[in-house]
Formats: sequence, structure tokens, C-alpha cells
Amino acid sequence: AQKITQTQPGMFVQEKEAVTLDCTYDTSDPSYGLFWYKQPSSGEMIFLIYQGSYDQQNATEGRYSLNFQKARKSANLVISASQLGDSAMYFCAMRASPYGGATNKLIFGTGTLLAVQP
Amino acid sequence: DAGVTQSPTHLIKTRGQQVTLRCSPKSGHDTVSWYQQALGQGPQFIFQYYEEEERQRGNFPDRFSGHQFPNYSSELNVNALLLGDSALYLCASSLGWSGPQETQYFGPGTRLLVL
Repeated sequence: AQKITQTQPGMFVQEKEAVTLDCTYDTSDPSYGLFWYKQPSSGEMIFLIYQGSYDQQNATEGRYSLNFQKARKSANLVISASQLGDSAMYFCAMRASPYGGATNKLIFGTGTLLAVQP
Repeated sequence: DAGVTQSPTHLIKTRGQQVTLRCSPKSGHDTVSWYQQALGQGPQFIFQYYEEEERQRGNFPDRFSGHQFPNYSSELNVNALLLGDSALYLCASSLGWSGPQETQYFGPGTRLLVL
């Protein structure tokens, strides 16, 4: 069964330090997409970064990078130089339909609550 | 470039009533998905619409139905509301379902409270 696992319910990080949020996934499909979203207390899911299963390089978007280890089925999010505004819930998600399939349904993990301390 | 919009932002209903939630996709997007997020959990997929047809459905009862209009906007209808339907309902849009274009962009959500 396809599944996303986030084992860190909550984390603290000091402002300006880097932090890694863990995500492991399980799928038997050879093609899949992995995503990270940020959800502030307002509720809106904000897209951060995307990694395709066939991408050779780790994805980066500004201060966000995705540490993609395909053999270990992990897709950890690294946030560099944390800012107070980074305090939020972070969700790892996976496209759960085969490449070229009819839909791009997402399945989500349970999330990690990140608190950035001054 | 307008993002995904949803209305209303908040809604209070009583058990047994019916509710309609609305979503306009991001400009240029043709695929709309709906998710339910209960308190303290990750979003759960309800269904997805493309070209006015339901393409895939999650594990939700028939009380949940939807529609997509020719302008790609969408509605989510929930009949015979139960207390357990209280949640944040998120709409997401995308362009296609492969590569970076499959990225789903979410709206601000509708918070539904069933009393």
C-alpha cells in the first residue's frame, strides 16, 4: 500500500540554523512525485518543493532543498537559515497514481510541527 | 496571477443539513481536487475533476458529490451532514498529472463546523 510516514510530531530549531524534517514513503510504482507543503495556522497549504522519482538531482527552491534517497525511500526536507516565519506544520506528500495515469491524487503524512525560536 | 480561491471561508451547519463549497482554480489550471482535513491530521483525498468529469474518488461515501463547470471551477456538495464532517475542506488545482505540472496548488480552505 502507498504510504507516507513522518516520524517527528514536533521539532524546535534556533533562528538562522538549518533543520531537517524527515519523510519516508512506500510505493511499488516506478514513477511517483514527492512534495512538501507548509501549513501555517491560517490553514492554507503552501507548496514548497517537488521531486520527481526520475530526477537525478535533489530539488532546491531557495532555502528549501529535498534530500532524495531513492534506495532508502526517503525524501527529507532541509530548511537552511531558519526564520521565525518558518514556524508552521509541514506535510510530506506523494502522488499516488502511476505516471501517465488518469489522476494525480496526493496522499499525505501526518505532518511535523516546526517551531523556530529566536 | 490569481491563485486558488474558495468560498465561503467559514460555515456552520447542523446535522442533517446540506452544504455546498465552491472553488475557482489557479489561472490556467484545468484539474481540481478536493481534500478533507480533520483537526490534527493530514488532508484526505475526496475526489478529482478534469474536463467536468470525476476522474478518481477517495474513500468517501456518496453523500459527498461534486461538479466541475466549463470554466474549470468546482463545487463540493455534502448531504445529510454528520458531526464527523466537521473539518477544513481544501481545494487544489493543477495542470495535468505528470512532471512538475502535476504540482497541486491549494486554496485557503473552508472551515466547516457541524453542530
